[in-house]
Amino acid sequence: GQQLNQSPQSMFIQEGEDVSMNCTSSSIFNTWLWYKQDPGEGPVLLIALYKAGELTSNGRLTAQFGITRKDSFLNISASIPSDVGIYFCAGQRGDKIIFGKGTRLHILP
Amino acid sequence: GAVVSQHPSWVICKSGTSVKIECRSLDFQATTMFWYRQFPKQSLMLMATSNEGSKATYEQGVEKDKFLINHASLTLSTLTVTSAHPEDSSFYICSATTATNEKLFFGSGTQLSVL
Repeated sequence: GQQLNQSPQSMFIQEGEDVSMNCTSSSIFNTWLWYKQDPGEGPVLLIALYKAGELTSNGRLTAQFGITRKDSFLNISASIPSDVGIYFCAGQRGDKIIFGKGTRLHILP
Repeated sequence: GAVVSQHPSWVICKSGTSVKIECRSLDFQATTMFWYRQFPKQSLMLMATSNEGSKATYEQGVEKDKFLINHASLTLSTLTVTSAHPEDSSFYICSATTATNEKLFFGSGTQLSVL
């Protein structure tokens, strides 16, 4: 079956550091989505990517849709405490959406 | 952005009772809604895909008689956990997509605890 490999599973960083996470797949997707989930809440859409090679920013967040359409990365610059949470990538084709297992971001005091 | 409202946020019930969770799209027509289950520190597990006016499509291993889904209108889908048992305790999340399937928006989730 289709799988999304999201890495890393967790990250422990200092406030102010940059963060990078990625997702890869054996299948091609038409759309890549990145979400953030806070404890006890539903995921919130951060960035949506629709074209291979597309690079999109949303404030301190930057995401890219890989040229092969099988991967995507998300970067967070100058991390702040409220960036803590779980980040999910999702690949979409038609009405089928596959989620990665998430990257749990921790910021050390 | 589009808003998906999910209610209730949390529910505690006795074993054997049924619980209904509502998912509404507030400012758009959701042709397709999805229901997920999430265990602590785990990813989202798709339970079923619901299209307005038709029967839901359940993922393998999800009991359709246990988790009843109704999508009666373009703005409302409901998930009913029938005869709930402690092992049904989980975080349930709905999501909805627009007709063009360009984006997927999530509800805020429902924490179900079955005693």
